[in-house]
Amino acid sequence: GAVVSQHPSRVICKSGTSVKIECRSLDFQATTMFWYRQFPKQSLMLMATSNEGSKATYEQGVEKDKFLINHASLTLSTLTVTSAHPEDSSFYICSARAATSGGRGEQFFGPGTRLTVL
Amino acid sequence: AQSVSQHNHHVILSEAASLELGCNYSYGGTVNLFWYVQYPGQHLQLLLKYFSGDPLVKGIKGFEAEFIKSKFSFNLRKPSVQWSDTAEYFCAVMGANNLFFGTGTRLTVIP
Repeated sequence: GAVVSQHPSRVICKSGTSVKIECRSLDFQATTMFWYRQFPKQSLMLMATSNEGSKATYEQGVEKDKFLINHASLTLSTLTVTSAHPEDSSFYICSARAATSGGRGEQFFGPGTRLTVL
Repeated sequence: AQSVSQHNHHVILSEAASLELGCNYSYGGTVNLFWYVQYPGQHLQLLLKYFSGDPLVKGIKGFEAEFIKSKFSFNLRKPSVQWSDTAEYFCAVMGANNLFFGTGTRLTVIP
């Protein structure tokens, strides 16, 4: 149990276009989902925390108008990278916390999405 | 502010060698600590976690970690590594509502 999927696993796009990444909790309901960004040989950096039915909370330095997050249901959150630029190329990972686990419950991670902006 | 330091960036061991990966944290609240593993091409998986109680925590695949409060450390250990342990290992501390990760340690086990 506790499986999180991401789609697509890999995407290549042209500079200036927008890309949507989906994160789904397959066998549990997630009130909270998290979006991370991982640069090569670096740690995962939290971008934003997404709560179902409310606006996402963005970490300092993350542009909310560039990285649009929608958490429309208890099993789906989406991250849209708008007007993508080559410096947005990265590995984006989502995680989900079960609705029943409370505020400090375990997070389950998706497999990540490799974004390459040409 | 919370932070996690992993000083070993790349560790290379032969099979059957013992492993210890360092992790030091900084956090002023209740300490919840985690070790995650990322096998090549796969997603992050939880190895073990410490919330409270016995400071020596046992996880999956023979891994264990010891929480030493006085040293702000949560080092990961395994007595005898296998080739299949080759992966990236991340230490993390739970903040108020989310995880903060260290930079990771790449472990390469040579058969």
